[in-house]
Amino acid sequence: GAVVSQHPSRVICKSGTSVKIECRSLDFQATTMFWYRQFPKQSLMLMATSNEGSKATYEQGVEKDKFLINHASLTLSTLTVTSAHPEDSSFYICSARGKTEAFFGQGTRLTVV
Amino acid sequence: DQQVKQNSPSLSVQEGRISILNCDYTNSMFDYFLWYKKYPAEGPTFLISISSIKDKNEDGRFTVFLNKSAKHLSLHIVPSQPGDSAVYFCAAVPYNQGGKLIFGQGTELSVKP
Repeated sequence: GAVVSQHPSRVICKSGTSVKIECRSLDFQATTMFWYRQFPKQSLMLMATSNEGSKATYEQGVEKDKFLINHASLTLSTLTVTSAHPEDSSFYICSARGKTEAFFGQGTRLTVV
Repeated sequence: DQQVKQNSPSLSVQEGRISILNCDYTNSMFDYFLWYKKYPAEGPTFLISISSIKDKNEDGRFTVFLNKSAKHLSLHIVPSQPGDSAVYFCAAVPYNQGGKLIFGQGTELSVKP
């Protein structure tokens, strides 16, 4: 079946630095990818929709200058958390849409210290 | 505004018995619904989906029922196995929104031997 690979799985960074998370569709082309965020014991919340070759669409309340999304090819989308703060610590998950369901990456646990 | 709701945060079931996970939604403009299983620090794994024009879909031990008049869906797992212990999310796909998913809060299922 379709596979989505997300890297890194865990990252610890210092406050004020930037972190890049990659999401790759391994055996299909994904014109659209989605980025979600999950706080402990809560639901996955959609942050933004990443469209290949065009600007991402951000959900209400998500700062586009803080969470930079680049979808430069049909198999790769990246999320960069800029000037990270401890409150950005969370679990970030990407997904790419297949024919009838979405496939998810393994997730990235970001800890900002 | 929580459009997809899973009102039971946890469920405990004996091995071999049936697990019933419930999900309610408030918006009629959903194209189809999906169930995902998630282990800690991993991305969700697709389990089963159902189109909004159907009322039942079955795949092995998993059956999803959709009651459109009640805006309710449920996932039945029978027989339940200890390996089914995980957090289960229901998700809905709105019409014409590019395939993004709206998730419920999740229900943690514990299957005891």
